[in-house]
Amino acid sequence: EAGVVQSPRYKIIEKKQPVAFWCNPISGHNTLYWYRQNLGQGPELLIRYENEEAVDDSQLPKDRFSAERLKGVDSTLKIQPAELGDSAVYLCASSPGWRGAGENTGELFFGEGSRLTVL
Amino acid sequence: AQKVTQAQTEISVVEKEDVTLDCVYETRDTTYYLFWYKQPPSGELVFLIRRNSFDEQNEISGRYSWNFQKSTSSFNFTITASQVVDSAVYFCALSGNYGGSQGNLIFGKGTKLSVKP
Repeated sequence: EAGVVQSPRYKIIEKKQPVAFWCNPISGHNTLYWYRQNLGQGPELLIRYENEEAVDDSQLPKDRFSAERLKGVDSTLKIQPAELGDSAVYLCASSPGWRGAGENTGELFFGEGSRLTVL
Repeated sequence: AQKVTQAQTEISVVEKEDVTLDCVYETRDTTYYLFWYKQPPSGELVFLIRRNSFDEQNEISGRYSWNFQKSTSSFNFTITASQVVDSAVYFCALSGNYGGSQGNLIFGKGTKLSVKP
C-alpha cells in the first residue's frame, strides 16, 4: 500500500515568491493534516481536514497561507508571499478518521515532508 | 493548555546500552492520548505507540518498552540493548479527545538519540 506522498521534497525560493506543496494521502483516509516543523522542533499543526472540510485551521497564518482539499483526496498548501521565517519542513499526514464516538485512533501516517528554504 | 516536554535534547549511547527517553505532559483533559513517534534521517515520522489515559499498564514490544505514570504525568520510553538503527529523533505527543481536537497532536521538541557502534 502506498504511503503519504508529498512533493516537492525540496524547494528553494527567494523571499516574496510564492510556493505550493502537494500531498496525496493514503487511499481511504478521510482525515488529512498539514504540519510545519522548524529546525530542532517538533511538528506544529497548521490545518486539519475531514474529507474536504477544514475543521481546524486556527494555527494557519491566513494572511499568507492557504490550503485546499478539493474532492476530499489530495491537498495543496500554498504560501504567498514567502518570508524568511517560513523556512521549515512541511509535513502532510493522513489518518483513517474517527471510528465511533470518542474513539481517536491517533495513528497518523506521515509523508517525508517538503523542505522549504527561503533566501 | 496542552504541553509536552522532552527535557533531553540529545542522548548518545554505545550500542547494546539501554536508554530511556523522558516525556512529561500537561493537560486538563480527563481523557487524552499519548504517543511516541520516531523520525529517522529520512524525515518521515513513524508511529511507535499510542496509549490512552485510562490505560496505565506498561507495554513492551521487543526491545521497546513504555512506562506511563499518570501520577507524575510522564510517559517514558526505554530502548533495551540499543542498536545503531535506533539512531533517530524521537517525539512524544499528546492529543485530546473532544470537539475539534481529536487527532491534533501536540508534539514535544524531540530527543535526538545517537547510538554509536
